[in-house]
Amino acid sequence: GENVEQHPSTLSVQEGDSAVIKCTYSDSASNYFPWYKQELGKRPQLIIDIRSNVGEKKDQRIAVTLNKTAKHFSLHITETQPEDSAVYFCAASTGNNDMRFGAGTRLTVKP
Amino acid sequence: GAGVSQSPRYKVAKRGQDVALRCDPISGHVSLFWYQQALGQGPEFLTYFQNEAQLDKSGLPSDRFFAERPEGSVSTLKIQRTQQEDSAVYLCASSLAGGETQYFGPGTRLLVL
Repeated sequence: GENVEQHPSTLSVQEGDSAVIKCTYSDSASNYFPWYKQELGKRPQLIIDIRSNVGEKKDQRIAVTLNKTAKHFSLHITETQPEDSAVYFCAASTGNNDMRFGAGTRLTVKP
Repeated sequence: GAGVSQSPRYKVAKRGQDVALRCDPISGHVSLFWYQQALGQGPEFLTYFQNEAQLDKSGLPSDRFFAERPEGSVSTLKIQRTQQEDSAVYLCASSLAGGETQYFGPGTRLLVL
């Protein structure tokens, strides 16, 4: 089955800097890659997703890139703000209800 | 509209007790998923329903775990004879159809003493 690895496990940046979180996946059939943000004690919330027919997607300060050949994808947050502090999870799915998650990255944005 | 809801939000059980966790998916969502999230970890897949059919239960850790969705909407995850290692947050998610975005509930935090 699918195996998703996520790095780093913790990331600390200064407010205004950029943050990058990387994930790799094992199943070459995976074609859907969402990213979730989970604040302490809250539910995971989808922040951006990408499908395998595109290499990059951007939504304001958040962007995701996908390299299907290398089987990795990354989340980029620019101009970070303290409210970006949370745990971020990547996931991968073939579209057959088999989504699997990475272990998470705890992002801290220092004011 | 209303999102995914779960109840109870917190549950404390003595070792050996049975517990039942409820999930109300978004109305009209065909697919429903249960995940177990240990502290500091990502959600781990437990089981998946398409309508009332349980199509994948490969993630259930033991036969003490049982899930059902008899009418294709509300789902219940039951854990029999709870053990300390069952302590975790149990998340439910639903999606409109297979392969689509999953929307999560707030989770049930289970503590087994």
